[in-house]
Amino acid sequence: NAGVTQTPKFQVLKTGQSMTLQCAQDMNHEYMSWYRQDPGMGLRLIHYSVGAGITDQGEVPNGYNVSRSTTEDFPLRLLSAAPSQTSVYFCASSYTNENTEAFFGQGTRLTVV
Amino acid sequence: SQKIEQNSEALNIQEGKTATLTCNYTNYSPAYLQWYRQDPGRGPVFLLLIRENEKEKRKERLKVTFDTTLKQSLFHITASQPADSATYLCAARRARQLTFGSGTQLTVLP
Repeated sequence: NAGVTQTPKFQVLKTGQSMTLQCAQDMNHEYMSWYRQDPGMGLRLIHYSVGAGITDQGEVPNGYNVSRSTTEDFPLRLLSAAPSQTSVYFCASSYTNENTEAFFGQGTRLTVV
Repeated sequence: SQKIEQNSEALNIQEGKTATLTCNYTNYSPAYLQWYRQDPGRGPVFLLLIRENEKEKRKERLKVTFDTTLKQSLFHITASQPADSATYLCAARRARQLTFGSGTQLTVLP
C-alpha cells in the first residue's frame, strides 16, 4: 500500500503559469481533500470531495480548481499562479468524511516567483 | 465562524516530564476531535480520536481529554522523549470539512 501519493514534491512556477498537483490514493477512500499550509496559519482547506464526481469548496478555494473523475485521483489545478499561492500543499484522504482518520501525502512545496 | 485554537507558542519541556497541549474550539460543538503529529517536511500523521461522549482516551504514553463544558481538549504525552519533538495539531469536523488548529511545536530537551 502506497497510501496517499503526491507529485511533484517541489515546484517553482512563474506568475501566470498553470500547473496541476497530482494526488492519488490506493485505499479506496471516499473522501479526499486539499490543504495549504503557511507559517502561522495552520492547514487551510482548499477543496474536498466526498466521492467520484462530487467536489466542493473549502475555506480558501479561490484560484484553484479540482475534479474527481475516479475514486483514486484528486488533482488540484492552479490556472494562473500568483505569488500568494506560494505554500506547501497537502492532499489527504479518509474512508468517509465522518469519524475516521485522515491520511496525508508528503506534500508539495510550491514557489511562485 | 467555527474556530479551533491551539497555543501558538512553542513548548519546551525536559525529557521524562509530561507535556500538555491545549486545543480550544468556539462557535460549534464537534462530535469528536482528532490529534495529529507533524514532523518537519512531512504530512500530518493521525494519533488519536476522542468522541464527545468520551471523557478520556489513552494510547501508550498519549492521553487525550475532551471537556465539552470548557470546549477544550487536552493532549498529554507522559514520560516525554526527544523523539516526541514535533508539531501537534488538533482537528475537528463540521459538516464535511475537517478543520485544523495552527498547531503547537513541542521540543523535548534531553
